[in-house]
Amino acid sequence: DSGVTQTPKHLITATGQRVTLRCSPRSGDLSVYWYQQSLDQGLQFLIQYYNGEERAKGNILERFSAQQFPDLHSELNLSSLELGDSALYFCASSVNWETQYFGPGTRLLVL
Amino acid sequence: KNEVEQSPQNLTAQEGEFITINCSYSVGISALHWLQQHPGGGIVSLFMLSSGKKKHGRLIATINIQEKHSSLHITASHPRDSAVYICAVNNNNDMRFGAGTRLTVKP
Repeated sequence: DSGVTQTPKHLITATGQRVTLRCSPRSGDLSVYWYQQSLDQGLQFLIQYYNGEERAKGNILERFSAQQFPDLHSELNLSSLELGDSALYFCASSVNWETQYFGPGTRLLVL
Repeated sequence: KNEVEQSPQNLTAQEGEFITINCSYSVGISALHWLQQHPGGGIVSLFMLSSGKKKHGRLIATINIQEKHSSLHITASHPRDSAVYICAVNNNNDMRFGAGTRLTVKP
């Protein structure tokens, strides 16, 4: 158990819809990272937050957004969903780009 | 060409064999990570390296910054080592991933 929790574990939705994925980091970790893992693209870094502020941005689409709240949990919002957004979404936490601890992931299926 | 290349893509070994997985990268990095992804999907960070060598149990990771190359070694491999091993590099607050090496260790 990494100490990072993600909810929900599975999510099935339709194209055009909006979903919110939630992540709670390990106690004491200020950084939260979001990753997408799809069959054709592999793992991709989406975005990092550090103590409530956006710190780094990767291949995150404009339809996606994230935030980190004062209690350090983070949410990833995916809107106008497309079939190609079906993937595993991982959250990880760390002190700051140090060893990252991954959550179990949320498996999103867009139909 | 991908910025992070791993080889081999697939590897099958007999229990007890010494395993080497390679990672080459083409960008400047601040650190390199080795990750293990279990068949169920969970990801565990094995090592984070910026120079030299690290050892944890039967796992050894090395990095050569000049040659932009890292290796992950598994000694005395065991069926429970069967997983996908992923190399990732930190580059300007971005993270780039290799495609992974699928390791199967047969008893």
